[in-house]
Amino acid sequence: DSGVTQTPKHLITATGQRVTLRCSPRSGDLSVYWYQQSLDQGLQFLIQYYNGEERAKGNILERFSAQQFPDLHSELNLSSLELGDSALYFCASSPRLGGLSEAFFGQGTRLTVV
Amino acid sequence: AQSVTQLDSQVPVFEEAPVELRCNYSSSVSVYLFWYVQYPNQGLQLLLKYLSGSTLVKGINGFEAEFNKSQTSFHLRKPSVHISDTAEYFCAVSELDAGNMLTFGGGTRLMVKP
Repeated sequence: DSGVTQTPKHLITATGQRVTLRCSPRSGDLSVYWYQQSLDQGLQFLIQYYNGEERAKGNILERFSAQQFPDLHSELNLSSLELGDSALYFCASSPRLGGLSEAFFGQGTRLTVV
Repeated sequence: AQSVTQLDSQVPVFEEAPVELRCNYSSSVSVYLFWYVQYPNQGLQLLLKYLSGSTLVKGINGFEAEFNKSQTSFHLRKPSVHISDTAEYFCAVSELDAGNMLTFGGGTRLMVKP
């Protein structure tokens, strides 16, 4: 158990809908990272938050947004969903801003868009 | 920009045989290197990491990797595999000055046969 909790584990929704994925980082971790794992794109970095502020952006679509709340949990919002958004979405957390060497990943949320 | 190439998408091997999973990276700056394992329907688990110092890094479950700066490689090895090592293995890199983003290779599926 990495200590990073993601909910829900599975999500099935229709095209055009909006969903919210939740991530609770390990206790004391200030950085949260979101990654997308799909069959055609592999594992891609989406976005990073540190102590409530956005710090880095990767290949995140405009239809996607994220935030980190004062209690440090983070949410990834996906809207106007398309079939191609079906993927496994991972959250990772680390204690520091540049703390990838200490990052731990959650179990992921498997999103299926039908 | 950094990139990671895992040269083999699948590696079949018999139980108790040695295995090497190959990883090459490209970056214009110094990097941290990582190997992650993903068991079926599970999240990413850190196997080992190279930050600095000795180029031979030992990780969990009997795996080790060697950083070769001149060849920009970070190959993963295990002298004797078990059925339970069947999983997807991902090599990843992070640039030291960025520290915010892991770039992953495409993954190598290790299939251990009895």
